[in-house]
Amino acid sequence: NAGVTQTPKFQVLKTGQSMTLQCAQDMNHEYMSWYRQDPGMGLRLIHYSVGAGITDQGEVPNGYNVSRSTTEDFPLRLLSAAPSQTSVYFCASSYRSEDTGELFFGEGSRLTVL
Amino acid sequence: RKEVEQDPGPFNVPEGATVAFNCTYSNSASQSFFWYRQDCRKEPKLLMSVYSSGNEDGRFTAQLNRASQYISLLIRDSKLSDSATYLCVVNNNQGGKLIFGQGTELSVKP
Repeated sequence: NAGVTQTPKFQVLKTGQSMTLQCAQDMNHEYMSWYRQDPGMGLRLIHYSVGAGITDQGEVPNGYNVSRSTTEDFPLRLLSAAPSQTSVYFCASSYRSEDTGELFFGEGSRLTVL
Repeated sequence: RKEVEQDPGPFNVPEGATVAFNCTYSNSASQSFFWYRQDCRKEPKLLMSVYSSGNEDGRFTAQLNRASQYISLLIRDSKLSDSATYLCVVNNNQGGKLIFGQGTELSVKP
């Protein structure tokens, strides 16, 4: 049972490069989301989706794009990487969107932007 | 003011101690509350939900005070394996957004 799978686990980018963090879940969850975690800041919501074809912005959406073409996949795209986007990124999913109590997280993607 | 605030700690306690973490939230319309646990360099995992009447799960007790917009987590008889960061999480009822506090670090020493 894979749960939530994120790739890559580690990535180093140069300023201005673009990349996509992949996230897939095999639990048929409606709700998927992306968080970033920085020291002393906790997890901050970037974007989320309550179902295929539906996405919305979280607290810190600038510099990131998402799409949800299938229930299983929710990729996060960095359009033009900046050093401020150096962080640990977590993808998470939940069965129901209206009561997202138990989020299931991926193992995280550690991104460094030079 | 942050939507969810916690004392970052660290809390350093001996094995067997009782330790309490507090969390405040700013949105009075929030309906759902949770505690998550995060081990070093790992993903967060749900520890327990917090119900209005308070709830207990073994050595862990969670309390909610809606009037004061305050959540607590009590850990009794601390174990070395309880060492982790504890995250307070609130559903602010705006389309299912879960808001995380910055976490409280606990270190249990022998």
